[in-house]
Order: sequence, then structure tokens, then C-alpha cells
Amino acid sequence: DQQVKQNSPSLSVQEGRISILNCDYTNSMFDYFLWYKKYPAEGPTFLISISSIKDKNEDGRFTVFLNKSAKHLSLHIVPSQPGDSAVYFCAASSGTYKYIFGTGTRLKVLA
Amino acid sequence: GAVVSQHPSWVICKSGTSVKIECRSLDFQATTMFWYRQFPKQSLMLMATSNEGSKATYEQGVEKDKFLINHASLTLSTLTVTSAHPEDSSFYICSALPLVGTDTQYFGPGTRLTVL
Repeated sequence: DQQVKQNSPSLSVQEGRISILNCDYTNSMFDYFLWYKKYPAEGPTFLISISSIKDKNEDGRFTVFLNKSAKHLSLHIVPSQPGDSAVYFCAASSGTYKYIFGTGTRLKVLA
Repeated sequence: GAVVSQHPSWVICKSGTSVKIECRSLDFQATTMFWYRQFPKQSLMLMATSNEGSKATYEQGVEKDKFLINHASLTLSTLTVTSAHPEDSSFYICSALPLVGTDTQYFGPGTRLTVL
């Protein structure tokens, strides 16, 4: 039972354009959501988070949107840069600090 | 800030031997550390939650006698893979939850284990 899903395994975007990565979840008890960036053979790097009391959080080029009614969150990267090419994981937790990760989306930003 | 290290970064061992992986929070204290496992092209799967000074909590399906976890201090947790077999070959990643100030886990760089 995959509680956190990233339905797009890969995404290619032109440099300078917007990258939109999507994540869906099934557990309505999740109240904290995060996005991590990961390179091969490295640990995930924290990007941005959002709690369920908000619907948007912004940090520089990264914005996370949360739609609780649709159980959907998205990460917007604008403008996209070649260095953003990596695998992006969304994660969710329900107050226990245990994270459930999605399967990841590989983003490729084309120069 | 919020740096987590793991040692070793990669290890190759023979089947039947035990391997210890260390996870350290370098610039913060963490009462809780987590151990994950990642198979190629798959998600990170939580194996266990490690609490300083107490027994680890294992996720369903994870053998506690095979994956021994010790969290001896607020900055160090160890995972020992006992009697390793080829199917234990994987990428093991730890994370640490700072004692104060955030609900965000910070991850180590991971350890690649290959069992021959």
C-alpha cells in the first residue's frame, strides 16, 4: 500500500522554465510534508517543507503547494537550472516523525 | 548547519560476516535517528527508529536480530548488519532529527553495502 505516490518517474524541462513535480497521498492523517533532492549514491538533501495548516510555502526558487482536499502537493522550481537535475522525493509524516517517502521523480533540466 | 555523516561510505564484505555502519550528527544533538534502506530505483524504506538510551523501534518485516541498532549518545547511532547475505546488499541511509527547533530530518550521505 503506497501511501505517498509520485506518478511521474521522470520529467524533462528546459533551462529557465518552470519545473512542476507532483505528489499524491492517501492518508488524511499526514500533517507535515517535505521535498528532498537526491543525487545517486548520496543521501537526500532537504529542500522545503509545509505543514497542513498552510497551503503554500516559498523559499527562493522553490515553492510547495498543498491541496488538502485533493491530497496533493506539488513542488515548483522556477527558473529551473541544470544543477537542479536530480531525483526529487516527497515525504509525509503524521506527527510521529516517521517519514513515508514517495517513489521519486527524476528531473532533467536541459541546457 | 545540520550535517550528518556516515561511515563507511561503502563497504564490501563476505557472506556471513557482520558490518557496522555509523551515523553521526556533527553540529547538533539528536535524540532520534532513523535508518532507511534504498534499493536501486526505489524509494527510501524506513527500517527502524533509534532513540538515544532506549531500544530501537523496527518497522514491520525488519528483523531486529539481523539489523542491530545502538544509539549510545545524542550524536551517534550505529547499525550492525549481522551475518550478512547477498540480499542485504543495498544503500543504507540514516537521518537525524534535531533535539530542538525543527521537525525536519537531516540525512547522511548513505553507505553502499555489497555482500559477496
